[in-house]
Amino acid sequence: AAGVIQSPRHLIKEKRETATLKCYPIPRHDTVYWYQQGPGQDPQFLISFYEKMQSDKGSIPDRFSAQQFSDYHSELNMSSLELGDSALYFCASSLGGLNEQYFGPGTRLTVT
Amino acid sequence: TQLLEQSPQFLSIQEGENLTVYCNSSSVFSSLQWYRQEPGEGPVLLVTVVTGGEVKKLKRLTFQFGDARKDSSLHITAAQPGDTGLYLCAGADSNYQLIWGAGTKLIIKP
Repeated sequence: AAGVIQSPRHLIKEKRETATLKCYPIPRHDTVYWYQQGPGQDPQFLISFYEKMQSDKGSIPDRFSAQQFSDYHSELNMSSLELGDSALYFCASSLGGLNEQYFGPGTRLTVT
Repeated sequence: TQLLEQSPQFLSIQEGENLTVYCNSSSVFSSLQWYRQEPGEGPVLLVTVVTGGEVKKLKRLTFQFGDARKDSSLHITAAQPGDTGLYLCAGADSNYQLIWGAGTKLIIKP
């Protein structure tokens, strides 16, 4: 079965640069969630989209923005990167805002 | 703010032993999910429990949702080295946002 696809899998950026992470949800899933996970921490919810509209907002910094496109894929845009932004970024998708979230493999972002 | 306390945080046992991981909260969840995560990879959904008192089995793993839908447990029978990983519970609140437990790092020694 098709799973959530994230790209790139690894990304290295310098401080103050920008980064764009992409997420392709499971086919027919209409809800996308973004999470940030630091070493040894549980996933921290950033933001979610349902039917291309922002549905919920968590601890997403103002330097970050995200959107969901007409084909339901989502992009997380990160600007003015800081060392503390280094983390694993996961995207998850679900159907109709139901609770079962299926996670992608993640993007490991390293800011130097 | 809903909190989900997961215990133990770390568990190292010998192959063949049984173990139980607990997730407890003072709040009611509409459902609760258990995930397993390998280092550097995304959490993999193991099971979702919805009904109070519900018990689901996945091979040697038994998941139970408390009658009041405030707590859940994961019991592994005859643990194997392949069970090693980080186990996370996550409860869905009324806005379908997941409230995560801190995770249980499980090591099964051969």
